[in-house]
Amino acid sequence: AQSVAQPEDQVNVAEGNPLTVKCTYSVSGNPYLFWYVQYPNRGLQFLLKYITGDNLVKGSYGFEAEFNKSQTSFHLKKPSALVSDSALYFCAVRALQTGANNLFFGTGTRLTVIP
Amino acid sequence: EAQVTQNPRYLITVTGKKLTVTCSQNMNHEYMSWYRQDPGLGLRQIYYSMNVEVTDKGDVPEGYKVSRKEKRNFPLILESPSPNQTSLYFCASSLFASGGQDTQYFGPGTRLTVL
Repeated sequence: AQSVAQPEDQVNVAEGNPLTVKCTYSVSGNPYLFWYVQYPNRGLQFLLKYITGDNLVKGSYGFEAEFNKSQTSFHLKKPSALVSDSALYFCAVRALQTGANNLFFGTGTRLTVIP
Repeated sequence: EAQVTQNPRYLITVTGKKLTVTCSQNMNHEYMSWYRQDPGLGLRQIYYSMNVEVTDKGDVPEGYKVSRKEKRNFPLILESPSPNQTSLYFCASSLFASGGQDTQYFGPGTRLTVL
């Protein structure tokens, strides 16, 4: 079975400071990991994914994520937060048991960037 | 424009009155999926489809039905809605049905309230 944990329901950061949204996972075999963002009253937008290769993955809007196999983590980062980054962020891992491209999502972290 | 569309975007109904939420994608994607989003629970998969006439249960299928008669459409049917189905629903699609590396693209969401 697979699982994803986002240990912080809420993260607050000042504008211009670096931000980190944490994600840890548990999965059999090689993990396929994803980050999505949900802006108010909008659907989920894809930010980035880790499939294989470089542990540092770069994505949309200046976000990046670091895959750490030993710590089973895939934390989302950005060097300098913008107020417009305030949103709900979801980490997801591909669910392996069905063979289909099913995703298993964490419970989400609400990021608030304070001006 | 490549997109996943859902209709209606907002729906208020009463217990027991059958309803259908439509989902359509114009990207010729094989895989389609329905999720529900509830506070503190993240996104949970209801049903998914790996191709026309191929559907399967996700993690929370009770009280829902789906069909995939055409590649582009994947309607979600609530035969007898109940208040515990009040939620935010998302449809998603990806190009391939398996392989795990594919990105899922999400619709804008349907907010359903069952009184």
